[in-house]
Amino acid sequence: DQQVKQNSPSLSVQEGRISILNCDYTNSMFDYFLWYKKYPAEGPTFLISISSIKDKNEDGRFTVFLNKSAKHLSLHIVPSQPGDSAVYFCAASEGGTSYGKLTFGQGTILTVHP
Amino acid sequence: NAGVTQTPKFRVLKTGQSMTLLCAQDMNHEYMYWYRQDPGMGLRLIHYSVGEGTTAKGEVPDGYNVSRLKKQNFLLGLESAAPSQTSVYFCASSYSSRDRRLDTQYFGPGTRLTVL
Repeated sequence: DQQVKQNSPSLSVQEGRISILNCDYTNSMFDYFLWYKKYPAEGPTFLISISSIKDKNEDGRFTVFLNKSAKHLSLHIVPSQPGDSAVYFCAASEGGTSYGKLTFGQGTILTVHP
Repeated sequence: NAGVTQTPKFRVLKTGQSMTLLCAQDMNHEYMYWYRQDPGMGLRLIHYSVGEGTTAKGEVPDGYNVSRLKKQNFLLGLESAAPSQTSVYFCASSYSSRDRRLDTQYFGPGTRLTVL
C-alpha cells in the first residue's frame, strides 16, 4: 500500500524551461512534506519542504505547491538547468508518535537537456 | 564536519552470511534511521532510533537488527543474508524538535549490498 506516489518515473525538459514534478498521497494524517534530490552514488539531499498549513513555499528556483483537498503536491523548477538532472523523491511525515518518520515516493528521474 | 558516513561502501555476501553496516554522524542528532532503496520502490524505512539505547521497527524490519549504543552510531545487522536483501542501504539522521522545519533528514552516501 503505497501512501506516497510519484506516478511519473521520468521527465525530460529543455534547459531554461519549467520542470514540474508531481506527487500524490493517501494518508490524511500527513502534515509535512519534503522534496529530496539524489545524484547517482550519493545519498538524497534535502531540497525544500512545506507544512500542511501552507499551500506554497518558494526557495530560489524551487517552489513547492500543496493542494490538501486533492492530496497532491508538486515541485516547480524554474528555470531548469542541466545540473538539476537527478532523481527527485517526495516524502511525507505525520506528527505525534510517528514524529520524524518519513514515507517516500518511488522517485522521478529528471533529465534537463542543454 | 563529515555529516553522515557509512561503512562499507560496497559488499558482496553469500546467502546465510552475516554482516554489520555502520553509520556514524557528527551533528549531535537525536534521531537516526536505516532505509533500503530498491528500483521502483523509493526508500523504505527498516528501523529507526529516537535516542541512544532506543530502537524501533519501521516499514520493512524483517531480517534486520539494529543497535544504538552510542548517540553518534547506528548499526544495522543482517544475521543470515538472503538474496532479497540485495539493495542500497542508506542511513540518515535528524534533530528532535517541535519545530517541524527540523524534520529534515541528512543522509549518508549509501552502502551497496549484493547477496548471492
